[in-house]
Amino acid sequence: KAGVTQTPRYLIKTRGQQVTLSCSPISGHRSVSWYQQTPGQGLQFLFEYFSETQRNKGNFPGRFSGRQFSNSRSEMNVSTLELGDSALYLCASSLDGVLNEKLFFGSGTQLSVL
Amino acid sequence: AQTVTQSQPEMSVQEAETVTLSCTYDTSESDYYLFWYKQPPSRQMILVIRQEAYKQQNATENRFSVNFQKAAKSFSLKISDSQLGDAAMYFCAYRSALNNDMRFGAGTRLTVKP
Repeated sequence: KAGVTQTPRYLIKTRGQQVTLSCSPISGHRSVSWYQQTPGQGLQFLFEYFSETQRNKGNFPGRFSGRQFSNSRSEMNVSTLELGDSALYLCASSLDGVLNEKLFFGSGTQLSVL
Repeated sequence: AQTVTQSQPEMSVQEAETVTLSCTYDTSESDYYLFWYKQPPSRQMILVIRQEAYKQQNATENRFSVNFQKAAKSFSLKISDSQLGDAAMYFCAYRSALNNDMRFGAGTRLTVKP
């Protein structure tokens, strides 16, 4: 089985622009969650989708949004980019989204905002 | 809110020796899950070991074991017979039984010396 695939690997944007990141989970996995990783704040939970519905959301402003498609692929969108949005964005998938379930992570998208 | 603290930013171990990484957490909940994830230079987070809070027995996975002290809210990771491939950032994580919000510690960078 292919692992979790995130595209693109690297992205450079300027302040004020918007960006869309993509995540393809492992085949058969229905839960997809997103995390932001920065040197200063560490790893922070953004949101989790299960069967096309957002189940949980972290403490991030409304500029951060996401969605999940019927094939479980997920996209994350950040509008009106700020310098502080520069980070590694990690996506993880799991089979049923059960709380003690193993998460499978992608290699992330490194976003740089200039 | 739950917080996870890893007090050792960096640790070093000689190949074949044993090392223990510390993790403490703060929560008022009685039911939760704890994880150790490893992040090598490839950036892809990999689950090392997990522990359900309701289980008294410490989890073990081959060379990896935990010392879970629920009353002390401590969850340390012991790596035995350290190998060069164990070199990575290690993150301790807490997940509430109420939602999918996973909280990570700041990480410990482990170096393995040949």
